[in-house]
Amino acid sequence: DTGVSQNPRHKITKRGQNVTFRCDPISEHNRLYWYRQTLGQGPEFLTYFQNEAQLEKSRLLSDRFSAERPKGSFSTLEIQRTEQGDSAMYLCASSLRGGTTNEKLFFGSGTQLSVL
Amino acid sequence: QKEVEQDPGPLSVPEGAIVSLNCTYSNSAFQYFMWYRQYSRKGPELLMYTYSSGNKEDGRFTAQVDKSSKYISLFIRDSQPSDSATYLCAMQAAGNKLTFGGGTRVLVKP
Repeated sequence: DTGVSQNPRHKITKRGQNVTFRCDPISEHNRLYWYRQTLGQGPEFLTYFQNEAQLEKSRLLSDRFSAERPKGSFSTLEIQRTEQGDSAMYLCASSLRGGTTNEKLFFGSGTQLSVL
Repeated sequence: QKEVEQDPGPLSVPEGAIVSLNCTYSNSAFQYFMWYRQYSRKGPELLMYTYSSGNKEDGRFTAQVDKSSKYISLFIRDSQPSDSATYLCAMQAAGNKLTFGGGTRVLVKP
């Protein structure tokens, strides 16, 4: 499978616990994005990487959230001290940013987080 | 006010009908326009991508962009029950992140 892969697909946790999600982008894609989507809403941008550099973070991304992309390959998104308001689908997308500004994002199936 | 507005629906049509979806936006910097389809509990899937005003056709799908009115549309001809999904418009300024509309839920009844 050459698509974007996200693990786990579902995560149930208790409030206050830490959780970590993983995203494996399409091979050779240099950009990797994290979005969050709640029921009935469109995805909201959280952060993105170009190779290993984190280039932008949304103000939605509180200091409890941290993302990494070591070596510019897979990425992890960690949420510390989870709150019920963190319950959402966390989507990862990747793209190939070349010499032009055109880029198409390809999404994974997401990780559904439920905080009890 | 959101940068991208999209009617949440649901939009219910009989099989074979034309589905008409649209979004309005306020950011003049948006240059690239996309439509994604999202099935329940799945990630969004790219359907159409365009960067100029006018029409773009791909099979049963036609995307229209009117930059002067800040209005984009997606038409689905000969709709099938398998087209039942949420359709998301998305827009991008040059070299920037995608900004999504809230999605329109479409139901095609056999």
